[in-house]
This record gives sequence, structure tokens and C-alpha cells, in this order.
Amino acid sequence: DGGITQSPKYLFRKEGQNVTLSCEQNLNHDAMYWYRQDPGQGLRLIYYSQIVNDFQKGDIAEGYSVSREKKESFPLTVTSAQKNPTAFYLCASSANSATNEKLFFGSGTQLSVL
Amino acid sequence: GQSLEQPSEVTAVEGAIVQINCTYQTSGFYGLSWYQQHDGGAPTFLSYNALDGLEETGRFSSFLSRSDSYGYLLLQELQMKDSASYFCAVRDTSNSGYALNFGKGTSLLVTP
Repeated sequence: DGGITQSPKYLFRKEGQNVTLSCEQNLNHDAMYWYRQDPGQGLRLIYYSQIVNDFQKGDIAEGYSVSREKKESFPLTVTSAQKNPTAFYLCASSANSATNEKLFFGSGTQLSVL
Repeated sequence: GQSLEQPSEVTAVEGAIVQINCTYQTSGFYGLSWYQQHDGGAPTFLSYNALDGLEETGRFSSFLSRSDSYGYLLLQELQMKDSASYFCAVRDTSNSGYALNFGKGTSLLVTP
């Protein structure tokens, strides 16, 4: 089955620790995205990547970093510089950046601070 | 910049019709999308309007008026499983037009 897989489903971060959220897709999509969702809020864009080895900051990139070394993978690192990391993180992909109105989402990772 | 406005909550009875409105302000505009998200789940794509008018997909329809910067999602013959959050999203010239910007969502509760 084609789709997007995020792992882990739940993640806990200690003070001063960096954590990495995994996102893998087997849809052969060029474009991938990371969104953050807080309770009762919409989705806010963190980073996006149109093609391999290229990515751009979204609206709330501070305290986060990404890489796009493979077409299938777009991991997100939440660094210690992100002071309020508790949120639901959603990864998405689209066939290409010209068809980004139809996104396919993973099931999300809930990140909490210990 | 851009902003999207949609009601925070809507309640409707099973079998009824409900309309969820969305107004937007953008620096440029390509189209309006709608997504459904059940609690704790992944958002799923419902519809996309690039041109004015009504698009129908089964029980769900979506409307766009570009001149009014306004759109809506219409859900007919409501079912209990339609209880979810619904987000409008625009593809506009922020982020170079390469990523969707989402509203805060409308929580729909369908009651018996």
C-alpha cells in the first residue's frame, strides 16, 4: 500500500535535547512538507521541500531543521532552541509543488516535553 | 501575508445540511482547498476550487467566489461519522505558492 509513514506516534523530549521525527513516503512524490498543529489551531507550515536536496523555511521554522537527502524521506529535527515544542506534527507530500492543493498526510507524531 | 477566517464550531442534526464558510485575504491566490480531520487523525483532502462556482463530490460540495474572497463547504445528508474538524486552505503567493496555508478549522458536531 502506498502512503506516508510517520514515526514514532508519540515522542517525549527532555530539556535541552534534540529529537528527530521520521517521515517516509512511497508515493513517488516530489514535494514534502512539515506542519505543526496545536490544540484548536490550524496547521502551520514549518518547512517544505520541492525536490531532493532542496528545502525552504515555512512560517515557523525557528528551532527546527530538516534534510532531504532522499526523495522518500524528509526527517524533522526539533532542536533545543524550540522552547515550546509540545504539539502534533504532521508530514505531508504532494505529487509536485504545482499540485500542492492535494496533500497526502501521515498519521502524525505527538511530541511532548518531559 | 494571508489570513483565513472560518467559524470555530458548528452543530447540526443527523440528516440535515450544513454550510461551513471560509473567507480569505491573500497577497495572491491560486485556489481554495478543503480538508477533513477526525480527532487525532490525519487530514484528508476533500475538494479544490480554482475557479468560481460549485464543485460537487457525492454528499459534499464546495463553492468559490474569487471576487468576494469567499468559499464554503456544503455537507448534505449529514451522518454521525461527519463529526470532525474541517479546514479551508489557500494556495497563494506566500511561500512562493509552493505550500498550502490553513485556516484554524471548524469543529462540526453531528447530533442524533
